[in-house]
Amino acid sequence: DAKTTQPTSMDCAEGRAANLPCNHSTISGNEYVYWYRQIHSQGPQYIIHGLKNNETNEMASLIITEDRKSSTLILPHATLRDTAVYYCIVRVPTGFQKLVFGTGTRLLVSP
Amino acid sequence: DTAVSQTPKYLVTQMGNDKSIKCEQNLGHDTMYWYKQDSKKFLKIMFSYNNKELIINETVPNRFSPKSPDKAHLNLHINSLELGDSAVYFCASSRPGRNSYNEQFFGPGTRLTVL
Repeated sequence: DAKTTQPTSMDCAEGRAANLPCNHSTISGNEYVYWYRQIHSQGPQYIIHGLKNNETNEMASLIITEDRKSSTLILPHATLRDTAVYYCIVRVPTGFQKLVFGTGTRLLVSP
Repeated sequence: DTAVSQTPKYLVTQMGNDKSIKCEQNLGHDTMYWYKQDSKKFLKIMFSYNNKELIINETVPNRFSPKSPDKAHLNLHINSLELGDSAVYFCASSRPGRNSYNEQFFGPGTRLTVL
């Protein structure tokens, strides 16, 4: 699995957009970008994934640069419940692939 | 409805004891995993089973023995518990296949404390 680089921590005001960057400059052509988050004392939760096009679901949007070397997870209107550690993971989606978690970004949403 | 459940949620035990953690998923998935999150919050894969067969074993000590009686269950038995086994253990499941992007669904975790 390719390695990713994320900022250690970020702050965001409640109601504002949270933009979490991820660098994956060694990503290979068949690897997808996945985002998971872990709210305190809970199991990790899948958020979104993408290959090269921008993706949006009910939780977030994923913007992947054209060269696929970086991406940004966007929480459009952050709430206090979005306070969590966010993990960016790149992997091939086929087979029985394990998730390789890095240190993630600790997002703190404040009132 | 609970998708991935684990029991117990908390487990406190003495060094040298043997204990088991149970995991069940009602998602109809074929693949189940065990992850360990240590005190520094690093999450690492331990095992993966697909259709009751061991697929991944990440150099975990022999004291750890996963058992999958059927596709919906993956239990973790730990012999001769050591202080370093204290961690939060997460079970997960996924459905690999052509129509799946293999996102994994995690249980709530079991916090194991070895005294």
